[in-house]
Amino acid sequence: DVKVTQSSRYLVKRTGEKVFLECVQDMDHENMFWYRQDPGLGLRLIYFSYDVKMKEKGDIPEGYSVSREKKERFSLILESASTNQTSMYLCASSRAGGEYEQYFGPGTRLTVT
Amino acid sequence: GENVEQHPSTLSVQEGDSAVIKCTYSDSASNYFPWYKQELGKGPQLIIDIRSNVGEKKDQRIAVTLNKTAKHFSLHITETQPEDSAVYFCAANAAGNKLTFGGGTRVLVKP
Repeated sequence: DVKVTQSSRYLVKRTGEKVFLECVQDMDHENMFWYRQDPGLGLRLIYFSYDVKMKEKGDIPEGYSVSREKKERFSLILESASTNQTSMYLCASSRAGGEYEQYFGPGTRLTVT
Repeated sequence: GENVEQHPSTLSVQEGDSAVIKCTYSDSASNYFPWYKQELGKGPQLIIDIRSNVGEKKDQRIAVTLNKTAKHFSLHITETQPEDSAVYFCAANAAGNKLTFGGGTRVLVKP
């Protein structure tokens, strides 16, 4: 059974803190993605990675960075958390190319106070 | 870049009735259109997809249609059941390895 796991289901952080969200997949997928989900806005792509150490900005990269040191792990970093980054964060992975199913983790609900 | 619009944002149907969700996209180069279902507390899961070389695809009670000329595609769920209650997202592939998602439709099936 394919699996994408995220390090936390719920996280509460204070404004200005550095936040790390971790994602691990066990399918040997080349592509990994970080999305942000807000009501009415669907899933918006923050960053994606198509190979180890390779990354591309998505639609809303401001305030975020990412790291992919190993193929199975993709980290999202909020350098200085702000209240407008309170949201649901979803990680996904897929085979290489743009026409394959993306497998999603359960999400991390981040609250920044 | 690609822009995907999805309607309606909420849909309430009686059990046994049909549900239809519609999406439009902007980039004529898009050629892959998946639909995802997100149940409460879970990540989205692919339920059906269609590629630009076909106009319709069916899988049991769900079907998807694609009109490339008009740049719109739709999800049809027949004989709705309570377990169909969820949030549904359409998407279209953008340049590179990416998908652009619609805003989502919350479907409620009333028993």
